Amino acid sequence: SAVISQKPSRDICQRGTSLTIQCQVDSQVTMMFWYRQQPGQSLTLIATANQGSEATYESGFVIDKFPISRPNLTFSTLTVSNMSPEDSSIYLCSVVDTDTQYFGPGTRLTVL
Amino acid sequence: QKEVEQNSGPLSVPEGAIASLNCTYSDRGSQSFFWYRQYSGKSPELIMSIYSNGDKEDGRFTAQLNKASQYVSLLIRDSQPSDSATYLCAVNYLSGGGADGLTFGKGTHLIIQP
Repeated sequence: SAVISQKPSRDICQRGTSLTIQCQVDSQVTMMFWYRQQPGQSLTLIATANQGSEATYESGFVIDKFPISRPNLTFSTLTVSNMSPEDSSIYLCSVVDTDTQYFGPGTRLTVL
Repeated sequence: QKEVEQNSGPLSVPEGAIASLNCTYSDRGSQSFFWYRQYSGKSPELIMSIYSNGDKEDGRFTAQLNKASQYVSLLIRDSQPSDSATYLCAVNYLSGGGADGLTFGKGTHLIIQP
């Protein structure tokens, strides 16, 4: 299975600022996804990031708040913009490898 | 609206017994079904995937799918304390497994009592 790494693993940020989360995969993958897991909750899909095209956002998530880049088949970034305490969550990237989704270790974000 | 429902628990099971976890989904067009295990502070890891009606066994784990009833379950035989975790049911609308983002249930917190 694909090996996924994320940076940073955790961060504490001030409201109104932005944070960019990086996701790196050890092999080329077509499909990449970004999820959010709020405290005590399950995972919610934010967007699908395909190389060479605009990210596709789920209902309730917009590009201005969560801009995504996918410059190549092994890398993607998610930016959380103009943060508020409600953005405090774990953000996870995932990739599809042989018809299965695997998850990165996550980025734990706390917004003060 | 795609929804996945799970009993949040906690579900407490004695060591060595069978743990039964259940999940229902709302979208009849759903094609692929997954069970993930998530330990506290960790990311989800895949336990089982199932695509066709019936049972699928892998070691101590058995996934059961009934598309007519829109129901999927996970049985864990000979439960061990290390099985204590949150189990997430996930559904994918498209065929081919991970070709689309997953819709997750809220998860069932399983506790195996030694």
